[in-house]
Amino acid sequence: DAGVIQSPRHEVTEMGQEVTLRCKPISGHDYLFWYRQTMMRGLELLIYFNNNVPIDDSGMPEDRFSAKMPNASFSTLKIQPSEPRDSAVYFCASSPLQALGRTEAFFGQGTRLTVV
Amino acid sequence: AQKVTQAQTEISVVEKEDVTLDCVYETRDTTYYLFWYKQPPSGELVFLIRRNSFDEQNEISGRYSWNFQKSTSSFNFTITASQVVDSAVYFCALSELSGNTPLVFGKGTRLSVIA
Repeated sequence: DAGVIQSPRHEVTEMGQEVTLRCKPISGHDYLFWYRQTMMRGLELLIYFNNNVPIDDSGMPEDRFSAKMPNASFSTLKIQPSEPRDSAVYFCASSPLQALGRTEAFFGQGTRLTVV
Repeated sequence: AQKVTQAQTEISVVEKEDVTLDCVYETRDTTYYLFWYKQPPSGELVFLIRRNSFDEQNEISGRYSWNFQKSTSSFNFTITASQVVDSAVYFCALSELSGNTPLVFGKGTRLSVIA
């Protein structure tokens, strides 16, 4: 298996622009997570899905952030409009359908977002 | 609420030294899972180990070992005879079973191994 695939790996955009990050989870995994990593706050959970349904989006910082999972093999995280403080590395991760806490999450390579 | 504390922000050691990375956690659950991940300079997150709350046996894998002590809510990670390739940020994480919660991470410890 190719693992969790994220695109793009790097994104530089101007403040106010819309940014879309993409993720393909590992086939057969039923949970998908979006995390954000910054120096100040470390790794924060933004949102997670189970069987394509959002379960907890309490970590999404503002209404400017939205996430979708239209099918089992694809998810997007959108920021509109983007701001410089959104600059971070965004990770997508997936895990298989077991009791959630019993398995590790498999992470993608991350998308480094820079908003100028 | 669950919480993971890694008090050591940065550690620097000379190659071949042993080093221990501390992890202290908080949870109200009796069943939970603890994890360690490694983030090398390339940026990806690499899974190292998972331990459930009912298994307090220490684990050794090559130069890596983990010490889980429920009495002190700690899950410490020791690297024996450190190597330059061990230089990375190491994250400890916790997941509660009852709340079916995703991983909650500590802030990480940056380990630099100097040749």
